[in-house]
Formats: sequence, structure tokens, C-alpha cells
Amino acid sequence: NAGVTQTPKFRVLKTGQSMTLLCAQDMNHEYMYWYRQDPGMGLRLIHYSVGEGTTAKGEVPDGYNVSRLKKQNFLLGLESAAPSQTSVYFCASSYGAVSSYEQYFGPGTRLTVT
Amino acid sequence: ELKVEQNPLFLSMQEGKNYTIYCNYSTTSDRLYWYRQDPGKSLESLFVLLSNGAVKQEGRLMASLDTKARLSTLHITAAVHDLSATYFCATNAGGTSYGKLTFGQGTILTVHP
Repeated sequence: NAGVTQTPKFRVLKTGQSMTLLCAQDMNHEYMYWYRQDPGMGLRLIHYSVGEGTTAKGEVPDGYNVSRLKKQNFLLGLESAAPSQTSVYFCASSYGAVSSYEQYFGPGTRLTVT
Repeated sequence: ELKVEQNPLFLSMQEGKNYTIYCNYSTTSDRLYWYRQDPGKSLESLFVLLSNGAVKQEGRLMASLDTKARLSTLHITAAVHDLSATYFCATNAGGTSYGKLTFGQGTILTVHP
């Protein structure tokens, strides 16, 4: 089991460029989440999904879009990157209520927007 | 709006000493999670606390939950260098929140010889 994987691990973008971050999990989890981590602020939820084909906004969704076309994948898109989106992005997944929503995290993607 | 506050934010300890990290949250919640993060790494689940009075222990770490006081503690016993990391607590708003977690700011723990 690879668990939760994220692609890419590092990326540098120029302001206005777009990109997609890919999260994949092989644990058959229903729930998937995207967080961003900034110094001194813990992790903040961007978007989440409660199942294939569903997505919902989290705490800081502006400037991001997501899609969950397959149960095992959750994509995070930046349409027009801004320096304020420089951050470390973590994907997580969980079974849901049966496992008390315990979340398993991927290794992270470090994004720099210049 | 759910808020989660940890203190202290920075903790420098000597090996062999005991200390406690506190996690307060602002609204009713039925569960509390503790995670560990090593520098440049991902988050590792330490404890899931699911009810008032819950206590869990793993090695030198013990976590407890008091839902009435909206407080969780992470107690470190006889610290060793390997415990140096950032510790996060997190909770959700309960009900159908689908596990949407709100995290504390994190406590950076450094254990010195």
C-alpha cells in the first residue's frame, strides 16, 4: 500500500500561471481533503470531498478549484497563481465515520509562486 | 466559527523532564486528534480521542480529553530527543461536519540533552 501520494513534490510558478496538484489514495477511502500549511497557522482546509463526484468548500477555498472524478483521486487546481498561494499543500483521506474520520496525510507539495 | 488554540507555541525541554501541551477549542465537539510533524515531513496521527474523559497513551506521550472544559492535553513524560517535532491538535464541529478538521497553530517542541 502506497497510502496517500501527491504529485508533484515541488513546484515553482510565476504569477498568473496555472497548475494542478494530484492526490491519489489506494485505501478505498470515501473522504478526501486538501489543506494548506503556512508558518504559524497550522493547517487550513481548502476543499474536501465526501465521495466520488462530490466536492465542497472548506475554510479557504478562494483561488482554488477541485475535482473528484475517480474515488481514488482528488485534484486541486490553481487557475491563476498568486504569491499568496505560496504554501505547502497536503492532501488527506479517511474512511469516514466508521474510523472516526481519522485522516491519513500525503507527503505534501511545496509550491512557490514568484 | 470553531477556533482551536494551543499553548505553548514553543517548548524547549531538557531530556528527562515532564511537560504538558494544552489544546483549547471554542465550540462543542465530540472528538479530538493529535498529530506529529517532523521538519519537512507529513503529519502522523498520534491519538484519536472520541469521548469525554478519554485517555490514550503511547510510549512517553499521553493524551486526554475533557469535552466539558473543551480542553485536551498532551503530556510528555521523561522527554527524549526523538520527541522533538511539531505537535498539532485538531477537532471538528461535530454532527455532519464530515471530519472537516480545524487545526491549532502547532507546538514546536525541542528536547535538549
